[in-house]
Amino acid sequence: GAGVSQSPSNKVTEKGKDVELRCDPISGHTALYWYRQSLGQGLEFLIYFQGNSAPDKSGLPSDRFSAERTGGSVSTLTIQRTQQEDSAVYLCASSLRQLDTDTQYFGPGTRLTVL
Amino acid sequence: RKEVEQDPGPFNVPEGATVAFNCTYSNSASQSFFWYRQDCRKEPKLLMSVYSSGNEDGRFTAQLNRASQYISLLIRDSKLSDSATYLCVVIRGNTGKLIFGQGTTLQVKP
Repeated sequence: GAGVSQSPSNKVTEKGKDVELRCDPISGHTALYWYRQSLGQGLEFLIYFQGNSAPDKSGLPSDRFSAERTGGSVSTLTIQRTQQEDSAVYLCASSLRQLDTDTQYFGPGTRLTVL
Repeated sequence: RKEVEQDPGPFNVPEGATVAFNCTYSNSASQSFFWYRQDCRKEPKLLMSVYSSGNEDGRFTAQLNRASQYISLLIRDSKLSDSATYLCVVIRGNTGKLIFGQGTTLQVKP
């Protein structure tokens, strides 16, 4: 079946511009997670959704970052006024429920480059 | 100090070798443990969960020592296709939030 999909696969933007990244989770998965992978930082948690609610936003690096999820499905991660340090691969994952025992399946990521 | 620490390697081994990776975690509230595999420029994929009793999946064996807060992965009879980065991952409490180590790079050579 279809896995987690993300778009765009690559995004190059200029410093100061806003960008929107999209994640389509596996159908029926109620939990959705955003992570970021950058050189020297490894993979870091950003935010997760259970349904449309985001109980844990602790990983968002600044108030320029926001995310929403509608209809318990698609999620968008928005970065306002992008900075060069925002350059990274943004990975989305989904799981059936928000339980430790449920495997998280990752999408292919969006590679963001801020010039 | 990072919450999950791994030796980044790289580990360069010949085909057929046995190789072991270690990982330590600092938060005793960590509850669930995993090894993920990530190929170059690809997304991470779950390799196996790690249980206190130890578990094996073919050539792969994972061990957890809660007292020492230590996790290991053993790969026997290495194949060229095992070349990848292996990520040690923990979940703190029942949050579902994965906390990743920096990863250990394995290169298996003919």
